[in-house]
Amino acid sequence: KNEVEQSPQNLTAQEGEFITINCSYSVGISALHWLQQHPGGGIVSLFMLSSGKKKHGRLIATINIQEKHSSLHITASHPRDSAVYICAVTANTGNQFYFGTGTSLTVIP
Amino acid sequence: KAGVTQTPRYLIKTRGQQVTLSCSPISGHRSVSWYQQTPGQGLQFLFEYFSETQRNKGNFPGRFSGRQFSNSRSEMNVSTLELGDSALYLCASSFSGSETQYFGPGTRLLVL
Repeated sequence: KNEVEQSPQNLTAQEGEFITINCSYSVGISALHWLQQHPGGGIVSLFMLSSGKKKHGRLIATINIQEKHSSLHITASHPRDSAVYICAVTANTGNQFYFGTGTSLTVIP
Repeated sequence: KAGVTQTPRYLIKTRGQQVTLSCSPISGHRSVSWYQQTPGQGLQFLFEYFSETQRNKGNFPGRFSGRQFSNSRSEMNVSTLELGDSALYLCASSFSGSETQYFGPGTRLLVL
């Protein structure tokens, strides 16, 4: 049983398309994180959310605590957005980290 | 401000050996967490250190251990290496553990 589920697993989009990646979790959380991992392994933390919505450039992250669901949106997608996007949560008991399996995004020019 | 650094970046060991990986957090950060990433299991939390104390631990066997020094640098040790320990080991730091984490580039360990 995975504490964090992501969908889709793989996503291919044309440049300029609007992209949505979904994340559902089953544990109580103190925070939800969206991470980006490029080929080669480097991970960048995009957002940390505990409620509502955050925006950074073309990226928007939302969270619905009652429904235990978060979405990451990318507007006007670009080939440089191609990466694996990982949803992770910090559980509110014991501060454990749980990770989704990631969404592999490819944006085609 | 310098980012999180990890050494070595690549390592090859044989079964039964032990290995020590090092992580230097961003200056001022006192929380260091370690993660293992494999193709089969994805990212998994190993442990977190804060002010030289292990604060949280994931579900890994006792062969995996760590420590943190007074300057917040952290080391992770794996004893009696197994083939399945081949992975990318990432560390991340934050000021107190409850904010955005900053990840290092990782150490890629191959066990033969």
